[in-house]
Amino acid sequence: AQTVTQSQPEMSVQEAETVTLSCTYDTSESDYYLFWYKQPPSRQMILVIRQEAYKQQNATENRFSVNFQKAAKSFSLKISDSQLGDAAMYFCAYRSTFIGAGSYQLTFGKGTKLSVIP
Amino acid sequence: DADVTQTPRNRITKTGKRIMLECSQTKGHDRMYWYRQDPGLGLRLIYYSFDVKDINKGEISDGYSVSRQAQAKFSLSLESAIPNQTALYFCATSEQSGEQFFGPGTRLTVL
Repeated sequence: AQTVTQSQPEMSVQEAETVTLSCTYDTSESDYYLFWYKQPPSRQMILVIRQEAYKQQNATENRFSVNFQKAAKSFSLKISDSQLGDAAMYFCAYRSTFIGAGSYQLTFGKGTKLSVIP
Repeated sequence: DADVTQTPRNRITKTGKRIMLECSQTKGHDRMYWYRQDPGLGLRLIYYSFDVKDINKGEISDGYSVSRQAQAKFSLSLESAIPNQTALYFCATSEQSGEQFFGPGTRLTVL
């Protein structure tokens, strides 16, 4: 079974600065998807960015980018020019591409709470 | 209008009561999921359904049941609620290969 580990329960960043959230995962599969979801105080789960394992190029979405290291099974999220609205819980998630029982479900890490200091 | 809706948004109930949480979607997705979120534990999968006739248990299905009434509707039931089922519950939908889209969540408190 796949596992996802977020080793930083809480982090803080100064407004306008850059912060990196860590995520590692364990899998025996060669093809899969990785996601970062944001959960603000409104509790809505919002997709921030996704990465397909077969793509070597790191995904980017505006101020959000990832550092995907497939061999190391690492998938970190970098937030540049942090804004007050970035304050939230961030969850890393894994999804298999294998067609079989349990496929397409998301396996989540325990989350990192990000605070943004004005 | 929201693509994935959940009712109720908040519910307080007593131990032993039967509770149903409902989820509806307008995205036209075949796949639907129910997750539970506890503080410090992230989201864990309770049940999932790939179509109306296909229901599967997830990681933590004990104490829960589901019903897929139509492609757009997927409900979660607690037959006899207990306090450790107090949590935030999320419904999600997805296409075959796409990311999952989440509803706004239902906060359930079992006294």
